[in-house]
Amino acid sequence: GQSLEQPSEVTAVEGAIVQINCTYQTSGFYGLSWYQQHDGGAPTFLSYNALDGLEETGRFSSFLSRSDSYGYLLLQELQMKDSASYFCAVRGGSGNTGKLIFGQGTTLQVKP
Amino acid sequence: SQTIHQWPATLVQPVGSPLSLECTVEGTSNPNLYWYRQAAGRGLQLLFYSVGIGQISSEVPQNLSASRPQDRQFILSSKKLLLSDSGFYLCAWSPLGTGSYEQYFGPGTRLTVT
Repeated sequence: GQSLEQPSEVTAVEGAIVQINCTYQTSGFYGLSWYQQHDGGAPTFLSYNALDGLEETGRFSSFLSRSDSYGYLLLQELQMKDSASYFCAVRGGSGNTGKLIFGQGTTLQVKP
Repeated sequence: SQTIHQWPATLVQPVGSPLSLECTVEGTSNPNLYWYRQAAGRGLQLLFYSVGIGQISSEVPQNLSASRPQDRQFILSSKKLLLSDSGFYLCAWSPLGTGSYEQYFGPGTRLTVT
C-alpha cells in the first residue's frame, strides 16, 4: 500500500523561508504532488514532481528525491496568507484512475 | 473553463436519517470523479472514485454509497447516517487519461450528524 508522513505543524515568521518535508512509501511511484488548503476551504493544487530535482513556481518550490522516497515544499518570503495546511500526495493504483493518496497534512502558521 | 459544484454547503442531520450529496462538473467531458471525507484537522480520505458512468470503486467499507448517473454528476448517499459520518465532504475531478496528478476540488459540504 501507500503511506505518507509529514510534520503535523510548522511555525515561521513573515518574510522567512520554511520547508515542509514529506516521506512516502508506495508500490509504484508516479510523482509527488502538493496541495494547499486554507481553513474551511477546498484543497488547491500547488506543484508536482515526477523527476528528481527542484521545481520552482514563484515563491513556492518543490523538491523530489526518488532514491530517498522524500520530497519537500519550500515556501519563501512567507506572507500571512500562506497560513494554511499543506498536503503531499502520491498517485495510488494504476491505469487512468487518477487516485491520489494524501498525507495527513502540515499546518503552517505564519506569525507577524 | 471548468467548474465544479457541490451542494449543500452545510448540513445537519440526525442519526439514522438518509443522506444525498450532489456534485456536478461543467466544462469538461469524461472526467474522473472522486469523493473524499476530511475529519477536523486531518487529511483527506478517499471514499469513492469513478472513471465513467455507472463505474464506481469503493475505497473504504462503510455505510456510504456513490453513484454516477450522468457523465458529470456524482452523488454520495447513505440510507442511515452514523455519528461517525460527520465531516467535510469534498468532491473532486481530474481529466481522464492524463498523469492525473492534479485534482480540482469543489467547495465541500460540512456534514454534522447529531
